[in-house]
Amino acid sequence: ETGVTQTPRHLVMGMTNKKSLKCEQHLGHNAMYWYKQSAKKPLELMFVYNFKEQTENNSVPSRFSPECPNSSHLFLHLHTLQPEDSALYLCASSQVATGELFFGEGSRLTVL
Amino acid sequence: ILNVEQSPQSLHVQEGDSTNFTCSFPSSNFYALHWYRWETAKSPEALFVMTLNGDEKKKGRISATLNTKEGYSYLYIKGSQPEDSATYLCALTTSGTYKYIFGTGTRLKVLA
Repeated sequence: ETGVTQTPRHLVMGMTNKKSLKCEQHLGHNAMYWYKQSAKKPLELMFVYNFKEQTENNSVPSRFSPECPNSSHLFLHLHTLQPEDSALYLCASSQVATGELFFGEGSRLTVL
Repeated sequence: ILNVEQSPQSLHVQEGDSTNFTCSFPSSNFYALHWYRWETAKSPEALFVMTLNGDEKKKGRISATLNTKEGYSYLYIKGSQPEDSATYLCALTTSGTYKYIFGTGTRLKVLA
């Protein structure tokens, strides 16, 4: 139990669906992250939020839309995804933007 | 583009064997090198953070060394046990951005 909880753990969606991934951290951290893990590729940073403000968008397509309503919650809204977006999406948090990362268990997304 | 390389990609060892793997990284603007242990269906868990050239860290049967001048770190596991089976990730953070750059990991399987 790392203190970072992701839901759902598994999600299957069609290309026209709209769904959201949720991340919650109980560690009192100020920075939250979305990472993408595709098969045989390194973990790829998508977004960084520091004190609820987005500080990093790593050239992510607009069909992925993050939302950070407070320092404890982070969402990833998904709309008109492509099959190649199928991957494991990991949320992480850290005390400060330069600190050690604490990860959730990930949301496994399959786009049909 | 900064690249973090890990080798081997995967390996199988017998219970009781000792093993080691390598993480190679560009040495310019080095800030820290991180090792994570990632068991299947769980979240990546931090093992070590190393910042100083020549650093050596140990946690039980697992230890790591760091050479920032030549850009590599070794992770050693002494007397491997089946519960050591996991993917071992290393990540580089550089001064200035402090973003984590992950390698693709070494997948270890310890056979009983």
